Amino acid sequence: RKEVEQDPGPFNVPEGATVAFNCTYSNSASQSFFWYRQDCRKEPKLLMSVYSSGNEDGRFTAQLNRASQYISLLIRDSKLSDSATYLCVVNDLNNNAGNMLTFGGGTRLMVKP
Amino acid sequence: NAGVTQTPKFQVLKTGQSMTLQCAQDMNHNSMYWYRQDPGMGLRLIYYSASEGTTDKGEVPNGYNVSRLNKREFSLRLESAAPSQTSVYFCASRRQQGAYEQYFGPGTRLTVT
Repeated sequence: RKEVEQDPGPFNVPEGATVAFNCTYSNSASQSFFWYRQDCRKEPKLLMSVYSSGNEDGRFTAQLNRASQYISLLIRDSKLSDSATYLCVVNDLNNNAGNMLTFGGGTRLMVKP
Repeated sequence: NAGVTQTPKFQVLKTGQSMTLQCAQDMNHNSMYWYRQDPGMGLRLIYYSASEGTTDKGEVPNGYNVSRLNKREFSLRLESAAPSQTSVYFCASRRQQGAYEQYFGPGTRLTVT
């Protein structure tokens, strides 16, 4: 079983739609959670951290459910520029490095006109 | 402030050839990482350096070596390239304390024939 699992998609949505992605993680001791965005043939870039209380950044809302070990990302009013792959990332404590990031395989979003 | 830089951007090698991928960061970060990204696999950690002078194996270290030359630079060496090492290689860095997110370089696309 993968440590961080995501539906690979693609999710094809029209502009203006609301779309949600979920991610599950296997390590109950995971400490920090992130969503990264990766455009085609580019490096991953931090989109937002995910806090226990949930957090919002403009059209993006992230939620964490520790009991069920899943993380979600909601995008409202989708734009063409939101088309990308969204990576769910979990931070686990590692005694040597202090922390290690484990990446999901990514969910691909395609926003159509 | 260039962030994380990587050279080269593209490389084609023949089986058995060697090469070194270079990475540098100008953010005064302590920790640096090398990942590979293959289709459907997500990012996998090859090696990391928690601080200057230390290096440790990640999830997929076989066939690679690393050098943490100084606080800024972290290189990845392929001694005898194999077709299975065809991948996109990303370098990343992180501040040591308080923040767990990592910042990525633009990547090196390596093809081994």
